[in-house]
Amino acid sequence: GESVGLHLPTLSVQEGDNSIINCAYSNSASDYFIWYKQESGKGPQFIIDIRSNMDKRQGQRVTVLLNKTVKHLSLQIAATQPGDSAVYFCAENKGRGSTLGRLYFGRGTQLTVWP
Amino acid sequence: SAVISQKPSRDICQRGTSLTIQCQVDSQVTMMFWYRQQPGQSLTLIATANQGSEATYESGFVIDKFPISRPNLTFSTLTVSNMSPEDSSIYLCSASAGAGELFFGEGSRLTVL
Repeated sequence: GESVGLHLPTLSVQEGDNSIINCAYSNSASDYFIWYKQESGKGPQFIIDIRSNMDKRQGQRVTVLLNKTVKHLSLQIAATQPGDSAVYFCAENKGRGSTLGRLYFGRGTQLTVWP
Repeated sequence: SAVISQKPSRDICQRGTSLTIQCQVDSQVTMMFWYRQQPGQSLTLIATANQGSEATYESGFVIDKFPISRPNLTFSTLTVSNMSPEDSSIYLCSASAGAGELFFGEGSRLTVL
């Protein structure tokens, strides 16, 4: 069945280093992907999104890469800061043409940033 | 960006009772959704809250257990009925204005004893 999964449940990096969080998806019909950050006790916070007609999208200190050939999504965070420590989820829209907002979430990666 | 407020933020309930969670958005939105996040887990979509009509439920979720209302473009409620300890979760409301970003509330943390 369809799934959105993450390669690593945890990631530890030193402050100032770059972080890369990976996500694999199996539904080739998905046309919209989002990365969320969730801090403890809070709701998910939108970070960046990308549509399937793009390979790369950049935001402030973040870049999302989409490789449709291998159905792989990644989030790169530049110059990681302690405030970036959180759980990161990738999410895919449920099928092409599906109502935006019906999202299927991956398991999440806990990012810990050490000073 | 839309600001989403949920009430209650947390509650402790007895088995067999029901709890209604409210979701208020500070602007009119096209779509509203309810998600569940069990302890230490990812988010699972429960249903799409449709304005003026019955909600659309995902596989594994039914109206009798999770009745949903959406009387207007800024407000929705989710009721967790006949609760059991397995219903202990964070329930999250989300909304989209249609252009792309999907925003979430802070969640309602429910503990069922």
